[in-house]
Amino acid sequence: QKEVEQDPGPLSVPEGAIVSLNCTYSNSAFQYFMWYRQYSRKGPELLMYTYSSGNKEDGRFTAQVDKSSKYISLFIRDSQPSDSATYLCAGERSLNTGFQKLVFGTGTRLLVSP
Amino acid sequence: GAVVSQHPSWVICKSGTSVKIECRSLDFQATTMFWYRQFPKQSLMLMATSNEGSKATYEQGVEKDKFLINHASLTLSTLTVTSAHPEDSSFYICSASGDSRHSNQPQHFGDGTRLSIL
Repeated sequence: QKEVEQDPGPLSVPEGAIVSLNCTYSNSAFQYFMWYRQYSRKGPELLMYTYSSGNKEDGRFTAQVDKSSKYISLFIRDSQPSDSATYLCAGERSLNTGFQKLVFGTGTRLLVSP
Repeated sequence: GAVVSQHPSWVICKSGTSVKIECRSLDFQATTMFWYRQFPKQSLMLMATSNEGSKATYEQGVEKDKFLINHASLTLSTLTVTSAHPEDSSFYICSASGDSRHSNQPQHFGDGTRLSIL
């Protein structure tokens, strides 16, 4: 079983729609959760960084963490064609070395049509 | 803020040559740097973690003699793929953070290097 599971999509929505992206995880050791956006042939860009269960909002983006069900979500309001990208969720856990390690899902490809 | 620059963005070379990739943090001190590999339509896989001035810690299955990592300063890490072969062709991405041994240190990524070995 993968530590972080994510539907690869693609998810196609019209401009202005509310987008819901989801991940599940299996490792209770994850302490922090992130959402990254990755455009084609580019590196991931950090969108949201959360620790506790609950919601965190930043502009059009809302990240939601439910540790009891091991479920994390990213909502995008008023989606724009420029939001078309691959969205990666990740959990962070500690290694025996003391370093923190990110474990990524495979990413969901989002297509927002004008 | 938190800009990470990676160079080169694309390299093509012959089998058997060594390739060096640079990763720089431009506006913050990157105590910890990470190197990832990403295959098409797959997740990022961590290869190694390094703290400035220390030896890198490699993930299981990653050959440390094949993928040499140097993190000599708080703003620069290099990955050298030695005696590269076609199976080493991939997208290599670095990231940087404050001291990863402390919590609440998000990673910021470079734009990756596409390596093609002929």
